[in-house]
Amino acid sequence: DVKVTQSSRYLVKRTGEKVFLECVQDMDHENMFWYRQDPGLGLRLIYFSYDVKMKEKGDIPEGYSVSREKKERFSLILESASTNQTSMYLCASRMTANYGYTFGSGTRLTVV
Amino acid sequence: QQQVKQSPQSLIVQKGGISIINCAYENTAFDYFPWYQQFPGKGPALLIAIRPDVSEKKEGRFTISFNKSAKQFSLHIMDSQPGDSATYFCAARRGTDKLIFGTGTRLQVFP
Repeated sequence: DVKVTQSSRYLVKRTGEKVFLECVQDMDHENMFWYRQDPGLGLRLIYFSYDVKMKEKGDIPEGYSVSREKKERFSLILESASTNQTSMYLCASRMTANYGYTFGSGTRLTVV
Repeated sequence: QQQVKQSPQSLIVQKGGISIINCAYENTAFDYFPWYQQFPGKGPALLIAIRPDVSEKKEGRFTISFNKSAKQFSLHIMDSQPGDSATYFCAARRGTDKLIFGTGTRLQVFP
């Protein structure tokens, strides 16, 4: 069964900490995405990557960065966590543009 | 122009009833319209999708109706069941671009 695995289900971090959210897919997918999900706002794209070492900004990249050193792994980095980054973070991947997304189960991050 | 507007935000339906969720878009270049279903504690999963060359697509109890002239599409869940209780997202995409998601509808089906 194909999988997108997010390393943590729940995380609690302090304001100002550097936070790493990890996502691994076992499907040899080219494209990977990071979204945040907030009530009433739906899924908002933070960053995406169409290939290894490539990254592009989504709609809300401020305060975030990403890393994709290997095809299967896409990391989201909160450089200095703030309380307004408390959210559910979802990672997704797809083979190429003509395929649907496969999502991970999400990481619920709380910044205190 | 890149937005997909989804309504209602929440929906309560009795078991056996019809659930209807609507989405509207502006960008006429969109050519792929999927619906995703998300259960609590899980990521969204593709439910059903349609391209604008057809007006309706049915898979079991789930139907997408597509109105190209009105730039609207909707999800109908026939004979709604408590197990359908979830959050539903519509989305749209142009060509090979990334998906643009709606804001989601929380559906609750009561027995």
